[in-house]
Amino acid sequence: AQSVSQHNHHVILSEAASLELGCNYSYGGTVNLFWYVQYPGQHLQLLLKYFSGDPLVKGIKGFEAEFIKSKFSFNLRKPSVQWSDTAEYFCAVTTNAGNNRKLIWGLGTSLAVNP
Amino acid sequence: DGGITQSPKYLFRKEGQNVTLSCEQNLNHDAMYWYRQDPGQGLRLIYYSQIVNDFQKGDIAEGYSVSREKKESFPLTVTSAQKNPTAFYLCASRRGLAENNEQFFGPGTRLTVL
Repeated sequence: AQSVSQHNHHVILSEAASLELGCNYSYGGTVNLFWYVQYPGQHLQLLLKYFSGDPLVKGIKGFEAEFIKSKFSFNLRKPSVQWSDTAEYFCAVTTNAGNNRKLIWGLGTSLAVNP
Repeated sequence: DGGITQSPKYLFRKEGQNVTLSCEQNLNHDAMYWYRQDPGQGLRLIYYSQIVNDFQKGDIAEGYSVSREKKESFPLTVTSAQKNPTAFYLCASRRGLAENNEQFFGPGTRLTVL
């Protein structure tokens, strides 16, 4: 069965530190990859997505992610975090397999940035 | 101002009662989804609908029911058969059926069963 793993469940950083959140998926075919963010008290919203082309994708608020097909990974990065990046981050994937139109979600990573 | 609305934001019900959560979207999206979010468990899919008058079970459909009579509306009923209904419920929609289209989310309804 297809699955998504987020290795870090809780991350605590100081402002200006660099961030990398891991995401791996299990599916050998074509995938579409997403990172969503849920700020405290706000809607879940899209940070960035990859479906084809340049494997390094840039999203909102200075976030980027790199798709490495050989490693089945789509890690999220930010060079310098801010207090306002405190949120929960979810990695998700859809595949082109059959009639599956569902997003498969990771369990999420809770990020706390200390000022 | 387009978006997804869910009402109410907080809902309290007594054990044994059915309760219906509202989800409305004015984005003209074809597909709609219901998720349940519990701490440390991510988002789990309850039901989804790709077109009007059609819907499919997700991974945790037991104890829930839905309808899709209109494109813009996808209400979720939490029945008394759901063993652990207290949770945060999220509704989402997606334009078209292409897998690379992202889902848009509502603000959620927090249901507490007493």
